Amino acid sequence: GNSVTQMEGPVTLSEEAFLTINCTYTATGYPSLFWYVQYPGEGLQLLLKATKADDKGSNKGFEATYRKETTSFHLEKGSVQVSDSAVYFCALSDNFGNEKLTFGTGTRLTIIP
Amino acid sequence: DTAVSQTPKYLVTQMGNDKSIKCEQNLGHDTMYWYKQDSKKFLKIMFSYNNKELIINETVPNRFSPKSPDKAHLNLHINSLELGDSAVYFCASRNQGTNTGELFFGEGSRLTVL
Repeated sequence: GNSVTQMEGPVTLSEEAFLTINCTYTATGYPSLFWYVQYPGEGLQLLLKATKADDKGSNKGFEATYRKETTSFHLEKGSVQVSDSAVYFCALSDNFGNEKLTFGTGTRLTIIP
Repeated sequence: DTAVSQTPKYLVTQMGNDKSIKCEQNLGHDTMYWYKQDSKKFLKIMFSYNNKELIINETVPNRFSPKSPDKAHLNLHINSLELGDSAVYFCASRNQGTNTGELFFGEGSRLTVL
């Protein structure tokens, strides 16, 4: 079956630090990959996505590149802000029409001023 | 306007009770979901409906019964609540035809069973 593995949290960084949150996946075929973010007290919202190998998704200074050879989709940001504090979820959709997203366990990120 | 809205946002109840959580989306989507998020933030799909028809049922106890009166609503009824049902329940929606995989989530309903 499909699975997503994320680095364990929590992650605590100082403002303006470089961020990497690792994500690897197992899936049949050619999945689409996503990063969702959950701010405190809110539902999840899509941060970025990539639908095929070598695609780079980007949004709000965050980037992730779909690497088929390493089955990875690591999230990066060059300079984090306090407002980036949230829980980040890596997810995949297998594109076989079963309409199901498989999520990783989430990584809690805290940015301190 | 809230795109995916859930009620109630907080629910505290005793073991053995029956409770419902309602979800409505005004995005015109044809597919709706219920996800359960446990205390460790792990998200697991429970159900999915497309145009009022059940398409995903992920080995959820039959104490949980979803109901979709129309494609804009997906309600979750839980019978004989147990301590382990305490979690945040998220409703989500999408359009099946878009094939982008993006889900739109509600703000969650936090259920606490005492």
